[in-house]
Amino acid sequence: KNEVEQSPQNLTAQEGEFITINCSYSVGISALHWLQQHPGGGIVSLFMLSSGKKKHGRLIATINIQEKHSSLHITASHPRDSAVYICADHNDMRFGAGTRLTVKP
Amino acid sequence: GAGVSQSPRYKVAKRGQDVALRCDPISGHVSLFWYQQALGQGPEFLTYFQNEAQLDKSGLPSDRFFAERPEGSVSTLKIQRTQQEDSAVYLCASSLGGGQGIYEQYFGPGTRLTVT
Repeated sequence: KNEVEQSPQNLTAQEGEFITINCSYSVGISALHWLQQHPGGGIVSLFMLSSGKKKHGRLIATINIQEKHSSLHITASHPRDSAVYICADHNDMRFGAGTRLTVKP
Repeated sequence: GAGVSQSPRYKVAKRGQDVALRCDPISGHVSLFWYQQALGQGPEFLTYFQNEAQLDKSGLPSDRFFAERPEGSVSTLKIQRTQQEDSAVYLCASSLGGGQGIYEQYFGPGTRLTVT
């Protein structure tokens, strides 16, 4: 089974900062999910990617299949970005423990 | 269009009671997933259905956990003789396709189960 690790566990940033959250996994996968979970529990799928890079608004996700590593970037962070960000491998649906992001005004 | 719904949203059970948690996926979605999320942790996979077929139940923690999706739409996760370690949020997700395809998953709001 895949081991999915995320870093950092917790991240506090000032509004406007550029954020990077990292995800690494131990076994090759066909795709990786990035999810956002707000307080109260609702989970939203942000990205599903199998290679290269995807962008949606201020969010950018990249994946390097050879290095078994993915990153989620948030540009011009805003307090409403405060949430837990979780990566998961598509094949086994193994999830990382999540990165709790707090963006302060 | 409605998203994935789950009921009840909250459930308190006494240790030893049986509980049934319901998931209504998005209409027409082939795949349905159940996950368990303990406090402060990421979700953990429990089981996966493609239509009515339960293709993977490797994540079910014990034989007290049982899931079904008899008509390929609504699914029920049943936990028998609940124990305190079953306390968690149970999440359901559905996706349009199945098999080897890569499809986005849509998550329900979860059912928070507390076993006292």
